[in-house]
Amino acid sequence: NAGVTQTPKFRVLKTGQSMTLLCAQDMNHEYMYWYRQDPGMGLRLIHYSVGEGTTAKGEVPDGYNVSRLKKQNFLLGLESAAPSQTSVYFCASSWTGPNYGYTFGSGTRLTVV
Amino acid sequence: KQEVTQIPAALSVPEGENLVLNCSFTDSAIYNLQWFRQDPGKGLTSLLLIQSSQREQTSGRLNASLDKSSGRSTLYIAASQPGDSATYLCAVIGGGADGLTFGKGTHLIIQP
Repeated sequence: NAGVTQTPKFRVLKTGQSMTLLCAQDMNHEYMYWYRQDPGMGLRLIHYSVGEGTTAKGEVPDGYNVSRLKKQNFLLGLESAAPSQTSVYFCASSWTGPNYGYTFGSGTRLTVV
Repeated sequence: KQEVTQIPAALSVPEGENLVLNCSFTDSAIYNLQWFRQDPGKGLTSLLLIQSSQREQTSGRLNASLDKSSGRSTLYIAASQPGDSATYLCAVIGGGADGLTFGKGTHLIIQP
C-alpha cells in the first residue's frame, strides 16, 4: 500500500546513546517532515525538507539532525539522546501545489532512560 | 506566529447524537486546513482537506467548514457511533513549506 513507513515502531535508549529513525514514502512527494508529539504540547515540527538534498529547521530542532539523500527517504538522527527526547515521532510527506494535504506515518515511540 | 485552538478539549456524548468540534486560528492567511483523526497509540489519519478557496468539504457523515475571515473551522459529525471515538486534530497550512500548525485536539468519546 502506498504511504509513509516509519522504522522502528518502538525503541528504548539509554541517555547518551545515538540512533536514527527512518521515514520512507512511495508517493513521490517533494516535501517531508518530522514532528514530535508530547502530552499537553501537541505536535511540533522538528525539521523538514522541500526536496532531495535539502533540510531546514522547524520549531524544536535542538538535539536532532536530519538528512534527505534520496527523495523517498528522510532520516532523523539523535546524536546523544536525552530523557527530554522521550516522545512519539511522526513523519509526514506532501506534494507542493494548490491541492496538497499531508500523509502521516504510524509513528515511532521512543523512550530515553 | 500561527496559533490553533480546539474547543472543547474533551467531549463525551451518547451514541446517535450529532456533534460539532471547533477549531480557531489566529492568522487568516492560511493555504489549506486539514482535519485528522488519531486513535490511541496510532498515527494520524486524514479526514478532510479544505482549500482556502472552499467553504466546506464532506465525506460520509463528516462535514468540515472553513471561514477564513473569522479564523474558524468546524467539523460536524452526524449520527455519532462508538467507532468515532478518537482524538480529532485540526491543522492549518500556511503559504510556506514549513508544514502544518496543529491544535491540541478534541478527545471524543461516544458512549454506546
